[in-house]
Amino acid sequence: IAGITQAPTSQILAAGRRMTLRCTQDMRHNAMYWYRQDLGLGLRLIHYSNTAGTTGKGEVPDGYSVSRANTDDFPLTLASAVPSQTSVYFCASSDGLDRGHEQFFGPGTRLTVL
Amino acid sequence: GQNIDQPTEMTATEGAIVQINCTYQTSGFNGLFWYQQHAGEAPTFLSYNVLDGLEEKGRFSSFLSRSKGYSYLLLKELQMKDSASYLCAYLNSNYQLIWGAGTKLIIKP
Repeated sequence: IAGITQAPTSQILAAGRRMTLRCTQDMRHNAMYWYRQDLGLGLRLIHYSNTAGTTGKGEVPDGYSVSRANTDDFPLTLASAVPSQTSVYFCASSDGLDRGHEQFFGPGTRLTVL
Repeated sequence: GQNIDQPTEMTATEGAIVQINCTYQTSGFNGLFWYQQHAGEAPTFLSYNVLDGLEEKGRFSSFLSRSKGYSYLLLKELQMKDSASYLCAYLNSNYQLIWGAGTKLIIKP
C-alpha cells in the first residue's frame, strides 16, 4: 500500500452508535497519531501512540479510545457518537518527531454524526 | 488555545512572492513545521526549522526566530497550484505538534 491508509473515506452515523475508524501504515513508523480538523481550528490531537503497545491522550481525548496492538494499525473508536464529533479525522505516522522527522498523513475520514 | 497564530486568508498574484507569518508562545519548543493542505486533501510536509535562520527548498523558504517566537513561509514565483492552506505547527516539550488554524492562500491570475 506504500504509505498510510484510512477507512472509511466518509460515514454518516446516527448519534449513540459505535464507530471505529481504521488506520494502517506500511512505513514501519513507531509513532502514530489521530487528529480531528474542524473549520477555523487547527488540527487537534486526540490520541497518540509512540510505539506498539502504548497509547497516550492528546488535547481532545474525551469520547474516543484507541489501541495499538501492532506497529501497522491504530484504530480510533467512538463508543457512543455525538453530533459534536462531526469532523474530518486524520491519522498520521512518524519515524520520530523528536528527531525532526515529519508526520505523514492519511487521506482522512469525513464523519457526520446526526 | 495553544498560542499559535497565523493569518486566516491571504491573496497573491501568479508569479509574485508571498510571505505567510506564524507567531507562537510556548515555554517548551522543539522545532517548527510548515505543511501544505489542498482543499479536501491531507496535509503534506513542506519544511522543518529547529535553529534560527532561513531554510531554502526550491521556490519555498522557511524562516525561524526562536527568541521572537516567529516563523514565516516564503513562496516565490507563485503558481496557481500553490492555492492551498498553509499550516504552521510547533513541537512542544512533549514532542507533540501544536497546530495553527491555517492560512488559506488564494492565487489570482
